[in-house]
Amino acid sequence: AQSVTQLDSHVSVSEGTPVLLRCNYSSSYSPSLFWYVQHPNKGLQLLLKYTSAATLVKGINGFEAEFKKSETSFHLTKPSAHMSDAAEYFCVVSPIYNQGGKLIFGQGTELSVKP
Amino acid sequence: NAGVTQTPKFRVLKTGQSMTLLCAQDMNHEYMYWYRQDPGMGLRLIHYSVGEGTTAKGEVPDGYNVSRLKKQNFLLGLESAAPSQTSVYFCASSYSDTSAYEQYFGPGTRLTVT
Repeated sequence: AQSVTQLDSHVSVSEGTPVLLRCNYSSSYSPSLFWYVQHPNKGLQLLLKYTSAATLVKGINGFEAEFKKSETSFHLTKPSAHMSDAAEYFCVVSPIYNQGGKLIFGQGTELSVKP
Repeated sequence: NAGVTQTPKFRVLKTGQSMTLLCAQDMNHEYMYWYRQDPGMGLRLIHYSVGEGTTAKGEVPDGYNVSRLKKQNFLLGLESAAPSQTSVYFCASSYSDTSAYEQYFGPGTRLTVT
């Protein structure tokens, strides 16, 4: 069975410092992996996706993530946090053999950015 | 393009009342989904549709019904609302069910059942 674990429910950083949001997945086959961001009272927006091409994936707003099969991880990073990055972030797995396109969501990580 | 839109944005129901949430997408997507979001639980799939006229159960379907009479619309119904259905509901759509295609989400409907 596929699953996603986001290792931190809440991360707090200072503006201008690096961001690291951790995600581990479990899948029998190589899945597609996504990071979505949800700003307060908004819908979910795709940040980036991994679909078995390059293992280092660049997304919007300076975020990137690296797929590490040996560690079953897909951590999200950003070199320098901005106040506007404060939001909830979801790591999502889409199993490769996935009739109906159902996604598996992590529990979410809330990112706070201090001035 | 408006993308995925949801109606209404907010709603308060009394226990036992019924209501329908409407989702519309203008991207000609085949696949549509209804999720609920509860604190600390991520998003959980309620029902989904792989095309006009089709529906299927997701992870938490009890207490909900859906219909997909037109390709661009996906309706979520609550026949007899319960306080446990207080949640934020998101609709999403996708071009394909292959894992490479992301889902596009609506802005959400915040439902409170008293």
